[in-house]
Amino acid sequence: GAVVSQHPSRVICKSGTSVKIECRSLDFQATTMFWYRQFPKQSLMLMATSNEGSKATYEQGVEKDKFLINHASLTLSTLTVTSAHPEDSSFYICSAHPGLEGTDTQYFGPGTRLTVL
Amino acid sequence: DAKTTQPTSMDCAEGRAANLPCNHSTISGNEYVYWYRQIHSQGPQYIIHGLKNNETNEMASLIITEDRKSSTLILPHATLRDTAVYYCIVRGSQGAQKLVFGQGTRLTINP
Repeated sequence: GAVVSQHPSRVICKSGTSVKIECRSLDFQATTMFWYRQFPKQSLMLMATSNEGSKATYEQGVEKDKFLINHASLTLSTLTVTSAHPEDSSFYICSAHPGLEGTDTQYFGPGTRLTVL
Repeated sequence: DAKTTQPTSMDCAEGRAANLPCNHSTISGNEYVYWYRQIHSQGPQYIIHGLKNNETNEMASLIITEDRKSSTLILPHATLRDTAVYYCIVRGSQGAQKLVFGQGTRLTINP
């Protein structure tokens, strides 16, 4: 089956620093990738939709200048949390869509746990 | 996308069939029913999806009622590794559409 990886799997950083999370589709090309955030004991919340070669579409309430998304190739999307604060500590998960007609399934990465001290 | 309603939690004995219900009474004609599960501290895993016919794969079976207003995910022989949060999601079929996750059902398989 399709495999999506994320790097790093966990990261601890100091308040005020920026953190970059990578999402890669390993065996397929992903025209669209999605970024989710999950706080403890809560469900996944969609942050933004990322299309290769164009600007990301952010969900209401998500600051685009704080959560920078780059989808420069068909196998890689990055999420940069800028000037991270403790309230940004969360589990960040990406998913990738192959972009083929009739293939509706999204495949999720294993997630990145961010802890901001 | 149509909203779904699932029980908050369920328990099932190991080796028995786990039947997880989902209500989606406002589903429209071109919307699919998707099931994902999330084991603790991992990304969601795709299980199965269907439009109106019952579906079966190596992981589970999906039974959709004739009026499509509800469905049941069946894990035929539950194991301890099936303990997870199960999400029922309704979405359209056109291209890469976002998935909107509800609270899901926390399924606990007991030895």
